[in-house]
Amino acid sequence: NAGVMQNPRHLVRRRGQEARLRCSPMKGHSHVYWYRQLPEEGLKFMVYLQKENIIDESGMPKERFSAEFPKEGPSILRIQQVVRGDSAAYFCASSPPLASSSYNEQFFGPGTRLTVL
Amino acid sequence: SQQGEEDPQALSIQEGENATMNCSYKTSINNLQWYRQNSGRGLVHLILIRSNEREKHSGRLRVTLDTSKKSSSLLITASRAADTASYFCARGAGGTSYGKLTFGQGTILTVHP
Repeated sequence: NAGVMQNPRHLVRRRGQEARLRCSPMKGHSHVYWYRQLPEEGLKFMVYLQKENIIDESGMPKERFSAEFPKEGPSILRIQQVVRGDSAAYFCASSPPLASSSYNEQFFGPGTRLTVL
Repeated sequence: SQQGEEDPQALSIQEGENATMNCSYKTSINNLQWYRQNSGRGLVHLILIRSNEREKHSGRLRVTLDTSKKSSSLLITASRAADTASYFCARGAGGTSYGKLTFGQGTILTVHP
């Protein structure tokens, strides 16, 4: 029973390049969430998606950041023209469908650590 | 300001002692969840307590929730060195924002063998 998968685990980019972070939810989960964690801080919500829909993107920066969760394949968090301040750990989580009694519980992946040089 | 403020920021105890971490929040919640994070790793879900519940247990963990004071506490009894980690509370809102968790800054727990 595989958990939430994220890849790559570590990603190094130079300023101005693009970063693509992938997340495969747990089997049977239909909701995906992305969070960002800066060093020595808690996680900050970025975006919540269902298949082919963005439900809540109130935590996403207005520029350079985008997320998708296509009908087939993993969810992608895309950061264009990265800057040093984007260096952080990016965590993905998934949760069961609303019909499940545990729909509120989110299960986290191991994270992708992005370093911008 | 940050929701889910945690206290203390750091806690250092000896193996076998109990560890208590507190979490306060400012707005209404649907549920409150506690997570553990080992250094450099992902988060592990510990307990979810709903707004209409007052106490929940899971093994050596006990969580309480006082909605009148907008606070929760996590108690780890008979701590072990393996409990060393950061502990986060996360507020779950209801309605259309139910999917969004708001995390506190966390408590760093160190258990000395």
